[in-house]
Amino acid sequence: DTEVTQTPKHLVMGMTNKKSLKCEQHMGHRAMYWYKQKAKKPPELMFVYSYEKLSINESVPSRFSPECPNSSLLNLHLHALQPEDSALYLCASSQWAGGTDTQYFGPGTRLTVL
Amino acid sequence: QKEVEQNSGPLSVPEGAIASLNCTYSDRGSQSFFWYRQYSGKSPELIMFIYSNGDKEDGRFTAQLNKASQYVSLLIRDSQPSDSATYLCAAVGPNSGYSTLTFGKGTMLLVSP
Repeated sequence: DTEVTQTPKHLVMGMTNKKSLKCEQHMGHRAMYWYKQKAKKPPELMFVYSYEKLSINESVPSRFSPECPNSSLLNLHLHALQPEDSALYLCASSQWAGGTDTQYFGPGTRLTVL
Repeated sequence: QKEVEQNSGPLSVPEGAIASLNCTYSDRGSQSFFWYRQYSGKSPELIMFIYSNGDKEDGRFTAQLNKASQYVSLLIRDSQPSDSATYLCAAVGPNSGYSTLTFGKGTMLLVSP
């Protein structure tokens, strides 16, 4: 089973709202990722957690705040977003297995900021 | 600057033909290569990965890797209209701790009935 789940599927929020995206995997993977994808562009890495610790932050604005409560869950807290933040937000997970590591993506959350 | 290059397409093939998708990469340290399929509005779905030089086959899909030429390809045999999607090539290497996928911009494949 290579399933990563994400909720909600769609989210519309105003620029003053606070919302959270959730991601869950039960594959025993030790690494989880957040990506942002704009239309007709490849996914763009935002954050990487390995063993529940933030290992990579790709200079993402502070209005995006990741959280990894345990090895199966990953959240992305959103606050004071801008319309240009509208995108497909993807979660992925992997075993963190070095050279053979393979990332599996969840279905994504389509975010619209008004 | 690590780069993965793909022709954006669209690549148009008739149903039943072989579709050939190509990718080149600039980082000689890249060791693992991945092909993801992405339907419009959906998330990337892993099709194949390859680590070693040569061919790797899985059903109708064959991935080919030539590290000397820094070239990766994906062949899709007996193409079906349901194969119409954007195909993303990605690479990882030791410089990123194998954690960062460097994606190409993707090739759009159109399979006509």
